[in-house]
Amino acid sequence: AQSVTQLGSHVSVSEGALVLLRCNYSSSVPPYLFWYVQYPNQGLQLLLKYTTGATLVKGINGFEAEFKKSETSFHLTKPSAHMSDAAEYFCAVSGTGTASKLTFGTGTRLQVTL
Amino acid sequence: DAGVTQSPTHLIKTRGQQVTLRCSPKSGHDTVSWYQQALGQGPQFIFQYYEEEERQRGNFPDRFSGHQFPNYSSELNVNALLLGDSALYLCASSLGLATGELFFGEGSRLTVL
Repeated sequence: AQSVTQLGSHVSVSEGALVLLRCNYSSSVPPYLFWYVQYPNQGLQLLLKYTTGATLVKGINGFEAEFKKSETSFHLTKPSAHMSDAAEYFCAVSGTGTASKLTFGTGTRLQVTL
Repeated sequence: DAGVTQSPTHLIKTRGQQVTLRCSPKSGHDTVSWYQQALGQGPQFIFQYYEEEERQRGNFPDRFSGHQFPNYSSELNVNALLLGDSALYLCASSLGLATGELFFGEGSRLTVL
């Protein structure tokens, strides 16, 4: 079984500041890990994913995340926030070989202020 | 290249009624998964269809059923609607069962009164 915990339901940053969204997971098998973004009244868009190999993964729009097995974490970062980054962000986990059955966290709403 | 399309986008039903939601996968995709997203929550996996068969199922009652057609499109049916079924229903498509990246549609928002 898998589960995801996203620390902080709301995060507010200034434009140009570092974005850090936290995600911890639990999985009984080697996990696949994902970050999705959801803009208002839209579906989910994949930002990045970790399956195997390099633990630092880069995604779209300047986001990246690092898989840390010892900490069971997969935190999402972006060096400089932009107003267009304001959205809901979801971390998700799946078991190896079952990438289409995702277990999502409860989400973190990112607010970007001037 | 059309992405995942869902219909209807919004609908209102009353308790006890039945609803059918439809999904056309992204071109070239053969696997369809359905998720329920309640307000303020993350999506929850309902089930997955591949080769016209339900392959995996989440923790949802039998009131939730589905179908996949030969052209890979899919339907989600919910019987005996409850107030708690009010949610955004998301369809996602992928190529294959294992490592295919999920592409999500914009969802069907169901309100049960």
